[in-house]
Amino acid sequence: EIVLTQSPATLSLSPGDRATLSCRASQSVSSYLGWYQQRPGQAPRLLIYDASKRATGIPARFSGSGSGTDFTLTISSLDPEDFAIYYCHQRSNWPPTFGQGTRLDIK
Amino acid sequence: QLQLQESGPGLVKPSETLSLSCTVSGDSINTPSYYWAWIRQPPGMGLEYIGSIYFGGRTYYNPSLKSRITILEDTSKNQFSLKLSSVTAADTAVYFCVRENMDRGIVNRLDSWGQGTLVIVSS
Repeated sequence: EIVLTQSPATLSLSPGDRATLSCRASQSVSSYLGWYQQRPGQAPRLLIYDASKRATGIPARFSGSGSGTDFTLTISSLDPEDFAIYYCHQRSNWPPTFGQGTRLDIK
Repeated sequence: QLQLQESGPGLVKPSETLSLSCTVSGDSINTPSYYWAWIRQPPGMGLEYIGSIYFGGRTYYNPSLKSRITILEDTSKNQFSLKLSSVTAADTAVYFCVRENMDRGIVNRLDSWGQGTLVIVSS
């Protein structure tokens, strides 16, 4: 099973700041990595797939990069609605797995 | 517009079987274009992939749960379902039904989620 390790566990920033979230895989997932945002009481929402492709309707301030084992989600300028939990996910190897999440808090 | 809606009992007794259904509207589940999956999230914790079903009824289960889960489809009702047997308190979670989308035959995104349903395992 591929383990996805996200860092940091919590990130405290202010609106307008740049956020950089990391996801590291225990073995290569090629570019088959996605990022999801989960707000309290809601289902996760797809942000990025194939490491760098923005999903339909996702603002351009969200971008993804990386391949192999190291991936990054960047939010260029934080909007108040961006404070949430972010998960990475791989389906390159069975079973599909998720990272433990990064909580993005308002500073 | 695609919508997925979970339904089923919110309380299940230990050792019994958890049964949930997902009703899909806005698209047919009887298509080779998507997989249909179950994912769960214990309260305050992360996400766990349970398993999925594909066109023609082919199923794919997480090995950690494989001995206890059954995923079925009912194309006449445009539903798919989850059964999880011999439940314990550790199975208490919000259960999501999800559409898995693909490009060039490779599943690469969970692009549509139900709102989730909380199932508590307790006597």
